[in-house]
Amino acid sequence: KNQVEQSPQSLIILEGKNCTLQCNYTVSPFSNLRWYKQDTGRGPVSLTIMTFSENTKSNGRYTATLDADTKQSSLHITASQLSDSASYICVVRPSEGGADGLTFGKGTHLIIQP
Amino acid sequence: DGGITQSPKYLFRKEGQNVTLSCEQNLNHDAMYWYRQDPGQGLRLIYYSQIVNDFQKGDIAEGYSVSREKKESFPLTVTSAQKNPTAFYLCASSIADGHGYTFGSGTRLTVV
Repeated sequence: KNQVEQSPQSLIILEGKNCTLQCNYTVSPFSNLRWYKQDTGRGPVSLTIMTFSENTKSNGRYTATLDADTKQSSLHITASQLSDSASYICVVRPSEGGADGLTFGKGTHLIIQP
Repeated sequence: DGGITQSPKYLFRKEGQNVTLSCEQNLNHDAMYWYRQDPGQGLRLIYYSQIVNDFQKGDIAEGYSVSREKKESFPLTVTSAQKNPTAFYLCASSIADGHGYTFGSGTRLTVV
């Protein structure tokens, strides 16, 4: 069964600090891997999308990396801001299968303290 | 602005009552999806539709029903057969099956 495991489950850091969130997956072969940001009580918003051939993708202070050999991805947040407090979800889409093949991680709950 | 709109934002259901959650998109996306989100769990697929007048069950379809009479609309009905409906419901749409996703802002359903 395809799985996406995220760590840590929750994280608290001080404003201005950097942090890295991890995503390990078993989906293979896969079409793309996505990171979403979900504010409390809101829908997820896409941060990055990477295909299996891409190693890194940036979106402002967010940088995602992908190692397809070890089936690991990370999301690095630089110079954190209070508005970064949210859940971050890793989603993997396999190469085969339709919408029901998408596998969602449980997310990392990030809290930025002033 | 193009987007996907869910309503209402909050919904309360009495025991034995059916309720319908609305999802409308003006992105001209072919595919639409309904997910359920519970605390500490990943999103789980309820139903999805790749084309008008056609839809498929997801992982947790029992106790739910959908319709897709228009490309723009994909309402979800939570029936009395769903014994634990309290959750956050998310609607999404995409250009093609699984390619690119846009989520709505969600509906929080509570049983009272």
